Amino acid sequence: ETVLTQSPATLSVSPGERATLSCRASQSVGSSLAWYQQKPGQTPRLLIYSASTRATGLPDRFSASWSGTEFTLTISSLQSEDFAVYYCQQYNNWPPGTFGQGTKLEI
Amino acid sequence: EVQLVEFGGGLVQPGGSLRLSCAASGFTFRSFAMSWVRQAPGKGLEWVSGISGSGGNTYYADSVKGRFTISRDNSKNTVSLEMNSLRAEDTAVYYCGKHTGYTGYDPFDYWGQGTLVTVSS
Repeated sequence: ETVLTQSPATLSVSPGERATLSCRASQSVGSSLAWYQQKPGQTPRLLIYSASTRATGLPDRFSASWSGTEFTLTISSLQSEDFAVYYCQQYNNWPPGTFGQGTKLEI
Repeated sequence: EVQLVEFGGGLVQPGGSLRLSCAASGFTFRSFAMSWVRQAPGKGLEWVSGISGSGGNTYYADSVKGRFTISRDNSKNTVSLEMNSLRAEDTAVYYCGKHTGYTGYDPFDYWGQGTLVTVSS
């Protein structure tokens, strides 16, 4: 089973700053990685798929990249609505479609 | 507009059974794989089970294999999860998720609002 390790567990930043979230896969998943955002009491929202492709309507302050088994989600100039928990998910070695444990982005 | 509405959750005793269903609308249901993903209180997301667009292929997490059964009815646009031999650790909000493709080797683009399953005596 492919294990995804997200870091940090919690990231404290201020509005207007830049946030960088990481996700490391225990084995190759190619570019088959997605990022989701989940706000309290809400369902997850797809942000990024194929490691670096933004979902429809996603603001361009969100960007993602990858190298090997290291994946990065970057949010430039954080807005108040960006504070949430972010999960990565691989779907290359499916099943199971494993999720990372999440990174909480807080003020 | 894509809509996924889950129902069937509730309180059940350990060892008991429950059947969850998810009613889908707003897309060509048979063309997309569907999955169930759960989230225990205060915890992260855990994929539970998936099914291909035709229903011919089903997949399970090791934690539920042999206890849960996923199925779909493409004539009624519904996907279901039959849960048996429930344990306390199955307590979670269960989400129905739509994959972006037919097989399941793709991400989720839509999620239902979830239904809470509580396993407790």
